Amino acid sequence: DVKVTQSSRYLVKRTGEKVFLECVQDMDHENMFWYRQDPGLGLRLIYFSYDVKMKEKGDIPEGYSVSREKKERFSLILESASTNQTSMYLCASSPVFGVNPVNEQFFGPGTRLTVL
Amino acid sequence: RKEVEQDPGPFNVPEGATVAFNCTYSNSASQSFFWYRQDCRKEPKLLMSVYSSGNEDGRFTAQLNRASQYISLLIRDSKLSDSATYLCVVDSGGYQKVTFGTGTKLQVIP
Repeated sequence: DVKVTQSSRYLVKRTGEKVFLECVQDMDHENMFWYRQDPGLGLRLIYFSYDVKMKEKGDIPEGYSVSREKKERFSLILESASTNQTSMYLCASSPVFGVNPVNEQFFGPGTRLTVL
Repeated sequence: RKEVEQDPGPFNVPEGATVAFNCTYSNSASQSFFWYRQDCRKEPKLLMSVYSSGNEDGRFTAQLNRASQYISLLIRDSKLSDSATYLCVVDSGGYQKVTFGTGTKLQVIP
């Protein structure tokens, strides 16, 4: 079974703090993604990575950065957390599109981040 | 116009009913289409891919209409366990990423 794990299920931070969210996948997938999910807005892509040390901005990258030093690990960084970054953060991984005809994304359980 | 649009619902249907969801997409270059299911407080999981010829998996049928740029999901003989949010997902036209719709909530009532 594909497994995507995230470092925390719940996290509470204060405004201005630096926040690290970690994601690890065990299926040797090339692609990894960070989304946030908010009521009425659905899943929105923050950043994705298609290879080690490679990253691409998604639809809402402002206020976030990412790091992918190893294939299995993709980190999301909030340099200076703000209250509008309170959200559910979901990590996902997938094989390279075209290799797997289904192109399925496998999600972690999510991290509920609250910024006070 | 949003890249992927869905009716948010909720759709409240009795057990045994047939229910259909539609989803429209704006990128005519999109090639891959999916329906994901998300249970309350859980992560999304792939329900089924959508193929040009239409495809069926048990009680679930997915259709694609490229000319009108919409996909549909039909659920027959609804079960209580079908209660969830159904997410329409469309690839971004050749890039290694997809766009999720905001989801349609289904509540099957006894």
